[in-house]
Amino acid sequence: DARVTQTPRHKVTEMGQEVTMRCQPILGHNTVFWYRQTMMQGLELLAYFRNRAPLDDSGMPKDRFSAEMPDATLATLKIQPSEPRDSAVYFCASGIEGNTIYFGEGSWLTVV
Amino acid sequence: AQTVTQSQPEMSVQEAETVTLSCTYDTSENNYYLFWYKQPPSRQMILVIRQEAYKQQNATENRFSVNFQKAAKSFSLKISDSQLGDTAMYFCAFMGLNSGGSNYKLTFGKGTLLTVNP
Repeated sequence: DARVTQTPRHKVTEMGQEVTMRCQPILGHNTVFWYRQTMMQGLELLAYFRNRAPLDDSGMPKDRFSAEMPDATLATLKIQPSEPRDSAVYFCASGIEGNTIYFGEGSWLTVV
Repeated sequence: AQTVTQSQPEMSVQEAETVTLSCTYDTSENNYYLFWYKQPPSRQMILVIRQEAYKQQNATENRFSVNFQKAAKSFSLKISDSQLGDTAMYFCAFMGLNSGGSNYKLTFGKGTLLTVNP
């Protein structure tokens, strides 16, 4: 059963530390998304890639966040340095253009 | 830019009864998809149902059906014979399908928390 895989599932870190979240999209999907979910803002699109090229990262704070797709099977979202306001659930999702988008189980991040 | 509005932050229903969740959206596009996703306490985002804007027939998946009113930009979800396992946050989402593909992404509403009571 094909699925989007995210690691870590849970992460607690101290303010100022670097956090890296990883995502393996469904094989064959050419578009990968990073969403963030908070109580206040709901589900926000941070960035997305098509055929590994960044399409839009306007939803992402540029000073501390970065997203990359080093190959077709791996997408990364990095926060450096992390802050308490970054505490959220981060979702990776993938799809083939024009079709349904499927989500991973999320990475729960707590920054203390 | 597209917007999706869910005006009911919370709803409750008795087990076995029927409930309808509301969603409205705003777009200038003519070709798009609409979705309902379910998010239980585990936070997994689960696709419930999809509606293609070019189809006049309302989508149905077992106990879940939609009422799609394109002119009114309305997309409600009806859950029949509600079950305890339907307790979750429900999100309405919009996806554009312009030819360039630049709008291939989901824009979500704020969600409706549905509680099914025994």
